[in-house]
Amino acid sequence: SAVISQKPSRDICQRGTSLTIQCQVDSQVTMMFWYRQQPGQSLTLIATANQGSEATYESGFVIDKFPISRPNLTFSTLTVSNMSPEDSSIYLCSSTQGTEAFFGQGTRLTVV
Amino acid sequence: DQQVKQNSPSLSVQEGRISILNCDYTNSMFDYFLWYKKYPAEGPTFLISISSIKDKNEDGRFTVFLNKSAKHLSLHIVPSQPGDSAVYFCAARNFNKFYFGSGTKLNVKP
Repeated sequence: SAVISQKPSRDICQRGTSLTIQCQVDSQVTMMFWYRQQPGQSLTLIATANQGSEATYESGFVIDKFPISRPNLTFSTLTVSNMSPEDSSIYLCSSTQGTEAFFGQGTRLTVV
Repeated sequence: DQQVKQNSPSLSVQEGRISILNCDYTNSMFDYFLWYKKYPAEGPTFLISISSIKDKNEDGRFTVFLNKSAKHLSLHIVPSQPGDSAVYFCAARNFNKFYFGSGTKLNVKP
């Protein structure tokens, strides 16, 4: 399957600041997805990003908090804005190929 | 509302024995079910899947069983190996969206 390179792999950030996570896919993909995995929880879908249109956010997630860019078919970014300790989590980007989803390596974010 | 549930957060098995990981779901519209394996500091990697029209899929040591009437699927690993120690997520697909369980941490003891 295709490969997603995600960075940074981890970061420790001050509350009130923002962090942008980048994902690069080694092939063109139509849809990219952003997930959050809080400790002991399942992967929760934040939003779906299609190239050339605004991202579609799931219930409980808003664009002002998690702005997403999708400038082309191989790249996407997620920004976690105005961070608080509750945003400490693993963030994962994903896409699909056939019936499978495949993932980046994840970004472990700690907000202090 | 969690549509995919893994009720066992952890499982410990002796090397060579069978590991059975379980998953329950609520949405009858799911068309594919998948299992992912995750090591620390890595993203989930695809392991095995099953279409909703089948009840069993086997790939080497890994077999996934689907019981649609019970809305239940399971992953069997036989024989279990220490390298299988990881967190296993079950997932279900509805259109292009995937829904994940909370994971089961498998520890295979040598």
